[in-house]
Amino acid sequence: DAGVIQSPRHEVTEMGQEVTLRCKPISGHDYLFWYRQTMMRGLELLIYFNNNVPIDDSGMPEDRFSAKMPNASFSTLKIQPSEPRDSAVYFCAVYRGRGDEQFFGPGTRLTVL
Amino acid sequence: AQSVTQLDSQVPVFEEAPVELRCNYSSSVSVYLFWYVQYPNQGLQLLLKYLSGSTLVKGINGFEAEFNKSQTSFHLRKPSVHISDTAEYFCAPPGNAGGTSYGKLTFGQGTILTVHP
Repeated sequence: DAGVIQSPRHEVTEMGQEVTLRCKPISGHDYLFWYRQTMMRGLELLIYFNNNVPIDDSGMPEDRFSAKMPNASFSTLKIQPSEPRDSAVYFCAVYRGRGDEQFFGPGTRLTVL
Repeated sequence: AQSVTQLDSQVPVFEEAPVELRCNYSSSVSVYLFWYVQYPNQGLQLLLKYLSGSTLVKGINGFEAEFNKSQTSFHLRKPSVHISDTAEYFCAPPGNAGGTSYGKLTFGQGTILTVHP
């Protein structure tokens, strides 16, 4: 994971509840990505930031999803209200620039009952 | 924008056998290509990447890939697999060679490699 910290690692909640996923990226990376992974849909890009500014949120499935990056060392992905179909593993990843690799966090496994 | 097609969703092999995981890309611009690996219950990590230069790229754990411009392919190979290679493998080009969308990777659908004893 090269130092990308995600919390919590596991989250179980009930339908209708608010869920907040957190990401603390390693320093020196100008891009931050949020992905969702499910068996049915594979790995999907939800949103990404460049220098803390949201660039492309076309992958955010609904208005129930929102993401923020208040500074270079912290980002959140919020789902409100949560639904069972939101159950997935959510990954945060960072990227430095042209030709560089993306560094992924370990993911948050979300289960919405 | 670039896109990739991973031709096999699942590849079962026996230990010590060779393996090839296929990836084809489409692009009209300069190409960077990556292979990532995801072990069970972990995030993705870089296996290898092609930026320029030699078309044969060596990565971690004995994997290698060959960039073939004429066939628009970037297949991943290993001459002898181990049980620990069981994982899901993703091919990915950047979303765009320039502009603000450059950092966006377009991951393939993934290929699950299962190595049997």
